[in-house]
Amino acid sequence: AQSVTQLDSHVSVSEGTPVLLRCNYSSSYSPSLFWYVQHPNKGLQLLLKYTSAATLVKGINGFEAEFKKSETSFHLTKPSAHMSDAAEYFCVVSGAKNNDMRFGAGTRLTVKP
Amino acid sequence: DSGVTQTPKHLITATGQRVTLRCSPRSGDLSVYWYQQSLDQGLQFLIQYYNGEERAKGNILERFSAQQFPDLHSELNLSSLELGDSALYFCASSVGYSENEQFFGPGTRLTVL
Repeated sequence: AQSVTQLDSHVSVSEGTPVLLRCNYSSSYSPSLFWYVQHPNKGLQLLLKYTSAATLVKGINGFEAEFKKSETSFHLTKPSAHMSDAAEYFCVVSGAKNNDMRFGAGTRLTVKP
Repeated sequence: DSGVTQTPKHLITATGQRVTLRCSPRSGDLSVYWYQQSLDQGLQFLIQYYNGEERAKGNILERFSAQQFPDLHSELNLSSLELGDSALYFCASSVGYSENEQFFGPGTRLTVL
């Protein structure tokens, strides 16, 4: 079984400052890990995914995440926040045996001008 | 635009009723997934179909059922509706059946009165 914990329900940053959204996972198998973003009244969009290749994964819109097996973490970062980054972010784990995706509770990112 | 379409966008119905939500996957995608997003439960995986066959099951209630038709569109049937079934229902699609990027539709907002 797999699960994911997003450590912050809400993160607030100023425009131009770094973003860190934290995610820890638990998986019985070698996991695939994803970050999705959901803007208000929109569906989810994939930011990036880790599938046992490079541990540092680059995604769209300047986001990246690092897979750390020893810490069972997959934190999402961005060097400089933009107003358009304000959204809900979901960390997702998928096991190797099936495609049962488990979503974290989400982190709401607020970007202040 | 992800290429995944869902109808209707909004649905308002009464307790005890039955509704059908429809999803058309991206062209070429064989897998369809259904998710429920509610304030108290977060985003939950319900069920996956691949090329017409059920592939994986998540937290889907017995009152709910789904199917995927030969043209690959899918329907989620919700019956004996309860107030707690009010939620946003997302459909997603992917090319294969495991560890593939999922593309999400805009969702159907169901309100049970």
